[in-house]
This record gives sequence, C-alpha cells and structure tokens, in this order.
Amino acid sequence: NAGVMQNPRHLVRRRGQEARLRCSPMKGHSHVYWYRQLPEEGLKFMVYLQKENIIDESGMPKERFSAEFPKEGPSILRIQQVVRGDSAAYFCASSPLREADTQYFGPGTRLTVL
Amino acid sequence: GENVEQHPSTLSVQEGDSAVIKCTYSDSASNYFPWYKQELGKRPQLIIDIRSNVGEKKDQRIAVTLNKTAKHFSLHITETQPEDSAVYFCAATESGGSNYKLTFGKGTLLTVNP
Repeated sequence: NAGVMQNPRHLVRRRGQEARLRCSPMKGHSHVYWYRQLPEEGLKFMVYLQKENIIDESGMPKERFSAEFPKEGPSILRIQQVVRGDSAAYFCASSPLREADTQYFGPGTRLTVL
Repeated sequence: GENVEQHPSTLSVQEGDSAVIKCTYSDSASNYFPWYKQELGKRPQLIIDIRSNVGEKKDQRIAVTLNKTAKHFSLHITETQPEDSAVYFCAATESGGSNYKLTFGKGTLLTVNP
C-alpha cells in the first residue's frame, strides 16, 4: 500500500513565478491536509480538502495561495507570484476519516525561491 | 484556537538512558494527541498517539502519558538508541468542528550519543 506521494520533492522558482505542488493521498483516504514548515519550526496547518471541496482554508494566506482536490487526480497547492518568504517545506497529509484521526504525511516538497 | 508548547527544544542523552519530552496545550476540549518523529529531510512519521479517554499508552520503548486536568502530555523513550536521534513533534487537535486540525509544537531535537 503506497503511502502519501508528493511531487516534486524539490522545486526552485524565481521571484514572481508560480509554484504547483502535488499530493496523492493514500489509497482509500479522501481527506487531504496541507501544512507548511519553516526552518526549525513546527508544521502549520494551511488547508483541509475533500474531493472537490475546500473544507477549511483558514491557515492559508488569502492572496497568491490556492488549493484544490479534483474528482480525478492529485490535490494541488498553487502559489502564484512567489516571494522569498514562501521558501519552506510543504507537506501534505491524508486520513481516512475526518474527526481527530491519524494523519499520514507525505515526503514533502521543499520550495526554494531565489 | 489551540496553542501547543513543547519542551525542551533540544535534548542530549547517552545511549541507553531515557528521554522525556513534554507538551502543554490550551484547548481543554482537545481529544487527540499524536507524536511524530522527523529525521533530517524526511517526512514526519507517527510514532504513537493517545486519545483523551486514556491516560497512558505504551508501544515497546515508547510511551505517552496524558494529564487532562493539567492539559499536558509527555513522550517517554526508554533505552534510547542512536537511531532515535531526530526531531520529535507533539500535536493536538482543535475541539469541536475543527477537530481535524493539528496544531504542532515547535519540536525537540533529540540526540542520542553512543
């Protein structure tokens, strides 16, 4: 049973470019969460999605960031017009249930903005 | 929202000794408390979790205790080994309708010296 998959693992962008991060949840999991981890910090919740629905985006910046989880295909975290402060590791996690359930993390995408 | 404090930020022990990491949380209605281990450049991996209806849970050399009255929980690792060296994160879910949202502590860098 494959775990949570993320790609790319490393992404380098110049300021002003767009970054697209992909996450495929574990088989049988319909709940996806995105977290951001700054150097030497804990993970911060960004957004929670189910198929075709954004349930909670309270941790995501209002501008330049968006997320989706289409009916078919992976969940996408999109960052437009990246700035240096967006450099971080972005992890997605998935769970089979919603309430207080175990979340399994992917390997992360390390975004570097030059 | 939930606030999680984690101590110490770094911990160095000799191989074979025990290690204890402590976390406090603010939301008295939180009901799920996982612990993750993250090796450098790797994904956070769940090592143990506890729910609010139990006070202690053990899995081989790892144990977690929960004190709901004091709103703190602790990770105990006995007979530490060099491969236990990593960053450990505690987390707690928010209560009510947001009980999918994990709030993480800032992490403890554990070093086990051979």
